[in-house]
Amino acid sequence: DTAVSQTPKYLVTQMGNDKSIKCEQNLGHDTMYWYKQDSKKFLKIMFSYNNKELIINETVPNRFSPKSPDKAHLNLHINSLELGDSAVYFCASSHRGGPGPQHFGDGTRLSIL
Amino acid sequence: KQEVTQIPAALSVPEGENLVLNCSFTDSAIYNLQWFRQDPGKGLTSLLLIQSSQREQTSGRLNASLDKSSGRSTLYIAASQPGDSATYLCAPIKAAGNKLTFGGGTRVLVKP
Repeated sequence: DTAVSQTPKYLVTQMGNDKSIKCEQNLGHDTMYWYKQDSKKFLKIMFSYNNKELIINETVPNRFSPKSPDKAHLNLHINSLELGDSAVYFCASSHRGGPGPQHFGDGTRLSIL
Repeated sequence: KQEVTQIPAALSVPEGENLVLNCSFTDSAIYNLQWFRQDPGKGLTSLLLIQSSQREQTSGRLNASLDKSSGRSTLYIAASQPGDSATYLCAPIKAAGNKLTFGGGTRVLVKP
């Protein structure tokens, strides 16, 4: 019963390629997030969607384009990958209107060669 | 802009000792605060969530306190075990459905 699931778990690709990461949650939450954990292990918000609408865009290069086809899914597409994009990307979800915790997926480790 | 600091950055203790992990944040206008555990190469596991109106929250051997006015939260882990070895992260949130702002974490090693 995976609550927040991300695919793929690992992604190794070359500079300049375009790649996508998918996220799905089965918790009935209305808000989903993408966080990035860099090589120094700092976790920072990238995007947040509520009911398919973008509500947080934290100064992320426009090579990153999130897409939310419905409130249970939030995908992340990255164009023209750069070395600095190597990181672990975490998806999370929560209820916007409630005090409950954010639940995280297991992360996608992206390595750029 | 919220800034979160966790002290110490790393901690090594013998099994059985109590752990005290500190978290401070610059903007006291928070909605709640979450403590997470992250094992190497793994995702984040939510440990405790404290509402801004609460002073503490307990789950088993874990107890988290919150002093919102001074911008501090402390995670206590009683009678530590080797399985408690992980990185512990605190993250306050300004409003429901808003972003978590993470500290740099405290890396804990409990030696058998």
